[in-house]
Amino acid sequence: EPEVTQTPSHQVTQMGQEVILRCVPISNHLYFYWYRQILGQKVEFLVSFYNNEISEKSEIFDDQFSVERPDGSNFTLKIRSTKLEDSAMYFCASSEGTSGRFMDTQYFGPGTRLTVL
Amino acid sequence: GEDVEQSLFLSVREGDSSVINCTYTDSSSTYLYWYKQEPGAGLQLLTYIFSNMDMKQDQRLTVLLNKKDKHLSLRIADTQTGDSAIYFCAERGPMDTGRRALTFGSGTRLQVQP
Repeated sequence: EPEVTQTPSHQVTQMGQEVILRCVPISNHLYFYWYRQILGQKVEFLVSFYNNEISEKSEIFDDQFSVERPDGSNFTLKIRSTKLEDSAMYFCASSEGTSGRFMDTQYFGPGTRLTVL
Repeated sequence: GEDVEQSLFLSVREGDSSVINCTYTDSSSTYLYWYKQEPGAGLQLLTYIFSNMDMKQDQRLTVLLNKKDKHLSLRIADTQTGDSAIYFCAERGPMDTGRRALTFGSGTRLQVQP
């Protein structure tokens, strides 16, 4: 069964450093997403991406964050200058991109745990 | 903004039924979902219900939706130790806005005792 994969599973970085989190969405999917979960808190939406551009973003997704689909398979989340409060589990998801009243299930990867020291 | 709330912990004995509850605030929610997260794994979609339905049954899972009270529940019949996990309730807003972002609850940790 196809699945979303994410690398690395755990990333440790120093405050102020740039990090890139990588995801490989399911191959025929058109919409890609990033969510994060700070320890003990809710899973929060960050951004969705379609047709090589951001289609929706939350207030959390400020100028420190960027997303990119550098090739036909990878989808990345870059944090330019990490802060302590960026420490969280980051989940990538993808969906087929069906429109209208269809559900368009989002399939999630296992997550990357980011620790900022 | 939208908010989704769940109780944090539920403990049941193997073979009993589990009922996990969720409340939400967005009356325009179209789809409501239950995701399961096992240790070290991603969020796995268990089931969903469309907002014009009251109930949906899928094998051992029953979802009840009370749209008036904005209350959603997930019942797991004959709970097994393999059902031990964190269960997340999530909602999606109106389709016609183009929004696809899911709003999640904080998750309910289900512990099944043998």
